Amino acid sequence: NAGVTQTPKFRILKIGQSMTLQCTQDMNHNYMYWYRQDPGMGLKLIYYSVGAGITDKGEVPNGYNVSRSTTEDFPLRLELAAPSQTSVYFCASSYESQETQYFGPGTRLLVL
Amino acid sequence: GQNIDQPTEMTATEGAIVQINCTYQTSGFNGLFWYQQHAGEAPTFLSYNVLDGLEEKGRFSSFLSRSKGYSYLLLKELQMKDSASYLCAVVDSNYQLIWGAGTKLIIKP
Repeated sequence: NAGVTQTPKFRILKIGQSMTLQCTQDMNHNYMYWYRQDPGMGLKLIYYSVGAGITDKGEVPNGYNVSRSTTEDFPLRLELAAPSQTSVYFCASSYESQETQYFGPGTRLLVL
Repeated sequence: GQNIDQPTEMTATEGAIVQINCTYQTSGFNGLFWYQQHAGEAPTFLSYNVLDGLEEKGRFSSFLSRSKGYSYLLLKELQMKDSASYLCAVVDSNYQLIWGAGTKLIIKP
């Protein structure tokens, strides 16, 4: 049982490039989330999903897109990367919205 | 708006006791979580409170007062490995998790 896995662990992007952050969970959780965490700050919700085929915006969705074609996978797409998107990105999952969230190890993204 | 307040940083001595406070103002309340986050790592679950009172789990305890919009995390017999950030998060009326900015706890020998 791997829990929540994320790839890549670290990436450097040039301004204007695009990339996809991968997230997979093997706990059969309904809910999946993408957060970003800037240095010394709390977690900010980017997008979340309540099940396959259903996604919704969080607090800071601009510049990002998501899809949820299966229960297990919830990729985050960055289009036209900007320096403001330099951050650590965490994927998380939970069985129900009010239950414990389990986090992946994070992806550190640097946009130059 | 929704707001969760925690001290930014606290310092304590190895072997001592420390209390980390969290006050919240949210649209509704459906539970409060505490997570631990070591530097460079992901948050991990510590405790969950939905009813008033104290929940004890080994060296860690968490208290909730819904009427006061207040919670605290109590860490006893502090160890160096307890140096981490502690995140308070509240489940609001829409069952969304609202996160505080976290309290960085520094343990000194």
